[in-house]
Amino acid sequence: SYVLTQPPSVSVAPGQTARITCGGNNIGSKTVHWYQLKPGQAPVLVVYDDSDRPSGIPERFSGSTSGNTATLIISRVEAGDEADYSCQVWDTSSDHPVFGGGTKLTVL
Amino acid sequence: EVQLVQSGTEVKKPGESLKISCKGSGYSFTTFWIGWVRQMPGKGLEWMGFIYPGDSDTRYSPSFQGQVTISADTSISTAYLQWSSLKASDTAIYYCARHWYDGTPGGYYYYYMDVWGKGTTVTVSS
Repeated sequence: SYVLTQPPSVSVAPGQTARITCGGNNIGSKTVHWYQLKPGQAPVLVVYDDSDRPSGIPERFSGSTSGNTATLIISRVEAGDEADYSCQVWDTSSDHPVFGGGTKLTVL
Repeated sequence: EVQLVQSGTEVKKPGESLKISCKGSGYSFTTFWIGWVRQMPGKGLEWMGFIYPGDSDTRYSPSFQGQVTISADTSISTAYLQWSSLKASDTAIYYCARHWYDGTPGGYYYYYMDVWGKGTTVTVSS
């Protein structure tokens, strides 16, 4: 089935820009969604349809997709953004969702 | 406000059965697929399957087919995930999530999870 690859960890200083990648074969032809996971809390959809934000998600969160890589971009990173982030696509061959392995964002 | 409220932490022994729940509110429970996602300790998310409560159509990931049962009770807007015989490897956090559909009927379509529950921690240990 379709495989999504994420780096295990990304570190960034407060106020800087974090870029979290999600690699997959021709992922640019799929629609990518991103989730934020914090311990003890419900996961939160932060970007859907490659680059759209649900209501309530700050404009600092954005996404892009091209070729074999999708990227979640978090601008002006804050301490509260420290979390795990997972990408997800719908695998049309198996007809079910696939998640990346997750990336832990550390705010230095 | 759309909410999914999950049942509490479970501690079980291998071989025991278990049914956990997820109660939806603030939306039409019968018109959205609702599914389950597993997160094993220190691991990423794994999709298990989902159900359309309106007609009980249920789909499973091949990895979980035959291992669990997903069901729903529309009279109380609640979805369930159950095991008949737990194993230590079932130790994980289980999230329920409402699935949002987009796309073209008969063409390209996809789902993503727009609302999640807080998770139910299941520990299976002798």
